[in-house]
Order: sequence, then C-alpha cells, then structure tokens
Amino acid sequence: DAGVIQSPRHEVTEMGQEVTLRCKPISGHNSLFWYRQTMMRGLELLIYFNNNVPIDDSGMPEDRFSAKMPNASFSTLKIQPSEPRDSAVYFCASSKLLNTEAFFGQGTRLTVV
Amino acid sequence: GQQVMQIPQYQHVQEGEDFTTYCNSSTTLSNIQWYKQRPGGHPVFLIQLVKSGEVKKQKRLTFQFGEAKKNSSLHITATQTTDVGTYFCAGLWRGNKLVFGAGTILRVKS
Repeated sequence: DAGVIQSPRHEVTEMGQEVTLRCKPISGHNSLFWYRQTMMRGLELLIYFNNNVPIDDSGMPEDRFSAKMPNASFSTLKIQPSEPRDSAVYFCASSKLLNTEAFFGQGTRLTVV
Repeated sequence: GQQVMQIPQYQHVQEGEDFTTYCNSSTTLSNIQWYKQRPGGHPVFLIQLVKSGEVKKQKRLTFQFGEAKKNSSLHITATQTTDVGTYFCAGLWRGNKLVFGAGTILRVKS
C-alpha cells in the first residue's frame, strides 16, 4: 500500500484565493483525520470522519474552513477565502478504527501571501 | 477541552545520555499513543498503551502508562543521533478524539 497520499505537497497562494487540499486514505481504513501544524500551536486536530461521516469538527477554526469525504477513498479540506494566518503544514491521517494507530500523509505545506 | 500537557518542550543531550519526555492529562485516558516526527517529516506511530501501569519496550525506548491512566512517559536509553526529532504523545478519551501534546524536541550532540 502506498500509504496516505496528500496533494499538493506545496501550495503558495494569494490572500483571498480558494485553496483545496486533497487526501486519499489507506484502503480499508474507516477513520480519517485532518490536522494542522504550526510552530505556535503545534499539531491541532481540525476535523475527523468515521465511515465517511464527520464526527467532530470543533477544531475547524472558522467558517472559511470546510471538509468533505464523499467516499471512503477521498477527502478534501477547503479554505475560502484564504488568509496569511492559514499558512501551515496540513496533515491528513487515517486509521482502521478510531482508537488504533494513525498513519499520516506527507503533509501539504500551505503558504498564503 | 481535553488536553495533554507534555514536558519538556525541548531537550538537547550529548550522544549516549538518556532522555525522558512526560505527558499528563487532567482526566483519565482510554489509551495513549506515542509518535515521532523527524525534521521536515510527518508523525510516525511508535506505540500504543492501553492498560493501567503498562510498560512496553522497543529496543532502547521504554514507554510507561501511569496507574491512574492520566500520565505517560517515554524514556530513551543511550541516545543516538538517529533519535533526533520531535516526540509526541497523543491521548485518546472515550469520545474517540485523538489529541496531541505539544511535543518534545530532542537534539543529540555527537
């Protein structure tokens, strides 16, 4: 298995633009997580899904952020409009069950200028 | 909200010295997981502890889960330069929400 696949690896965009981050979890995994990592705030859980259903989105910073999981093999995290303070590394992770080990993707480094 | 406090924030050791990082929760955990992130990389799962008082070893790494299931530690014996990175604990509560500690950055001088 190729592991969790995220795209793009790097994204540079201008303030106000829409940004879409993509994630393909490991086949057979039922849970998917989106994390954001910054020096100041560390690794923050934004939202997670179980069996494609959003379970907890309390970590989503504001309405500009939205996430979807239309099927078991694909998820997106969208920021619209983007702001410079959204600059961070965004990780997607998946696990077989909610309480088992999480496998992380390589991350998307987002820079909003 | 649910939080895990992790200390120290940063530790710089001489190669061959031991290293320990500690993780604390104010409420009882279902289990705790430990991850390692190399500079520029992504978190990689090391181990999961589930039982009260559990101790697990992986070569030079020793992981402990407290009796009350509110704290945990990771101890590395005789550090090597390959141990550098950030070590995270991640707590899991009954709500099935994996919350990461702030991490401990380990630097090893050779």
